[in-house]
Amino acid sequence: GAGVSQSPSNKVTEKGKDVELRCDPISGHTALYWYRQRLGQGLEFLIYFQGNSAPDKSGLPSDRFSAERTGESVSTLTIQRTQQEDSAVYLCASSLGGTGAREQYFGPGTRLTVT
Amino acid sequence: GENVEQHPSTLSVQEGDSAVIKCTYSDSASNYFPWYKQELGKRPQLIIDIRSNVGEKKDQRIAVTLNKTAKHFSLHITETQPEDSAVYFCAASRGSGAGSYQLTFGKGTKLSVIP
Repeated sequence: GAGVSQSPSNKVTEKGKDVELRCDPISGHTALYWYRQRLGQGLEFLIYFQGNSAPDKSGLPSDRFSAERTGESVSTLTIQRTQQEDSAVYLCASSLGGTGAREQYFGPGTRLTVT
Repeated sequence: GENVEQHPSTLSVQEGDSAVIKCTYSDSASNYFPWYKQELGKRPQLIIDIRSNVGEKKDQRIAVTLNKTAKHFSLHITETQPEDSAVYFCAASRGSGAGSYQLTFGKGTKLSVIP
């Protein structure tokens, strides 16, 4: 079946502009995660959605970052007033829900460049 | 919170030799340890994982060992091939209960297999 998809694949924006990144999880996966990967670095957890539960936003680096998810489907990550340090690859992942750790399936990422 | 350290950051081996990547973690409650492989420009993909009820797990040329007492785990790749060249990430999570979904990643190891 289809894997996790993300759009756009690349985004170049000017400092100060807002950007919106989209993630389509695997059908049936109730859990969805956003990560940030700076060049040459590991994956930094941003936010987690599980079904209708309140999201875990503990990884969001500032109030310029927000994310929403419609039910158990599409999620959008919004970065307001972008800064150059926001330049990174933003990865989305999904997994089956329930208790306990599950294999996370990653999307191809959105490469964000803030000029 | 959890802290995962990964070493080395880069590793070069001759084709056919073995490669070992080591990770340590700080949260004694962690009991799920996946390894992801990320080829250049591609998404991370799970290659093997281990839970704390076992000390070793093998899958063909790949093995992972876990020492819960010392809080470290390692990835072993035998008979390396050029297609093993990639960045490898270790991760840790609680595996069950509160926060079990949250993976904390190491910073990655860039493995280069020289033909």
